[in-house]
Amino acid sequence: DIQMTQSPSSVSASVGDRVTITCRASQDISNWLAWYQQRPGKAPKLLIYAASNLQNGVPSRFSGGGSGTDFTLTISSLQPEDFATYRCQQANSPPYTFGQGTNVEIK
Amino acid sequence: QVQPVQSGAEVKKPGASVRVSCKASGITFSDYYIHWVRQAPGQGLEWMGYIRPKSRGPYYAQKFQGRVTMTRDTSTSTVYMELSSLGYDDTAVYYCARDGYNLGRPYFDYWGQGTLVTVSS
Repeated sequence: DIQMTQSPSSVSASVGDRVTITCRASQDISNWLAWYQQRPGKAPKLLIYAASNLQNGVPSRFSGGGSGTDFTLTISSLQPEDFATYRCQQANSPPYTFGQGTNVEIK
Repeated sequence: QVQPVQSGAEVKKPGASVRVSCKASGITFSDYYIHWVRQAPGQGLEWMGYIRPKSRGPYYAQKFQGRVTMTRDTSTSTVYMELSSLGYDDTAVYYCARDGYNLGRPYFDYWGQGTLVTVSS
């Protein structure tokens, strides 16, 4: 199975801050990676697919990058509604595994 | 809200089975792979498997093979996931999710609201 490791596990930030989350795959997954946002008690929401493609309706302050084993999710200017948990998911091969999550908290 | 609608919460005894349904609402199911993902309390997301479009059958994660069955009723645009021989560690919220891009590599664009399955004696 491909292991997905996110860092940091938690980040404290203020509204307007730039936040970057990283995700590392245990083997080369090309660009087969997605990012999701999950609020407490809610289902995940797709933000980015194929490493860098913005899902329809997602604000442009979210961006993704990387390929191979190392990936990033950047929020350029944190908004109040962005405080949530973010998870990466590899779509390269089954079982399709997720990172453990990064909790973005209010500073 | 455009979202698959799942069946309600369940409480089951150890060793029992549970069936969760997921019905298309405002979106199309028939041409898409539908996946199941679960989340234990306070934990991460765990992929369980998928059912292919039309009647082309399922694919299960090895961890759940022999214990999970995924089916679909095309006449009602409903997908089902049945998990048998439940143990306490099967307590989780179970989500259905649509692979919206059909690239053979899944990206989940629509998720159901989740169904809490509690295993308790």
